[in-house]
Amino acid sequence: DGGITQSPKYLFRKEGQNVTLSCEQNLNHDAMYWYRQDPGQGLRLIYYSQIVNDFQKGDIAEGYSVSREKKESFPLTVTSAQKNPTAFYLCASSTDWTEPYEQYFGPGTRLTVT
Amino acid sequence: GQNIDQPTEMTATEGAIVQINCTYQTSGFNGLFWYQQHAGEAPTFLSYNVLDGLEEKGRFSSFLSRSKGYSYLLLKELQMKDSASYLCAVRHNDYKLSFGAGTTVTVRA
Repeated sequence: DGGITQSPKYLFRKEGQNVTLSCEQNLNHDAMYWYRQDPGQGLRLIYYSQIVNDFQKGDIAEGYSVSREKKESFPLTVTSAQKNPTAFYLCASSTDWTEPYEQYFGPGTRLTVT
Repeated sequence: GQNIDQPTEMTATEGAIVQINCTYQTSGFNGLFWYQQHAGEAPTFLSYNVLDGLEEKGRFSSFLSRSKGYSYLLLKELQMKDSASYLCAVRHNDYKLSFGAGTTVTVRA
């Protein structure tokens, strides 16, 4: 079955610790994205990558970092510099060869930092 | 910049019809998506419009007017499983998406 996996589903960390969220896809998609979702707000783009070894900042990149060493994987690190890290994090991927190039989302990771 | 507005909540009865409106202001418009998201789950793709008019997919239809910066999602023959949040998302020329805050639809028996 093709799809996007994110792990873990729930993650708890103490303030001041860095934490890495996993995102893997076997859809052979070139583009991958990280969003965060907060109550009452739309999904906000953190980082995106259109090809291996390349990525760009989204609208709210401060306090986050990513890597794209493999096509299938796009991990997100939430650093201690992120002031409000508690949120629901969604990873997505999309193809660029079949219209409408919709984004497919993973099941999400709910991060709680105390 | 972009500004995407949709109602926060809507309630309807099983079997009825509900219309969720979305208005947007953006530069570099390149299509509009509707996603469904059940609580705590991933958004799933429902529909896409890039030209003016109505797109129908079973019980769901989506309409777009580019000149008015307006779209709606029409849900017909509502079922209990349609209780979810519905997200309007505008795609820009760089293929990035901007999302509205979502409309929570509650279907009552």
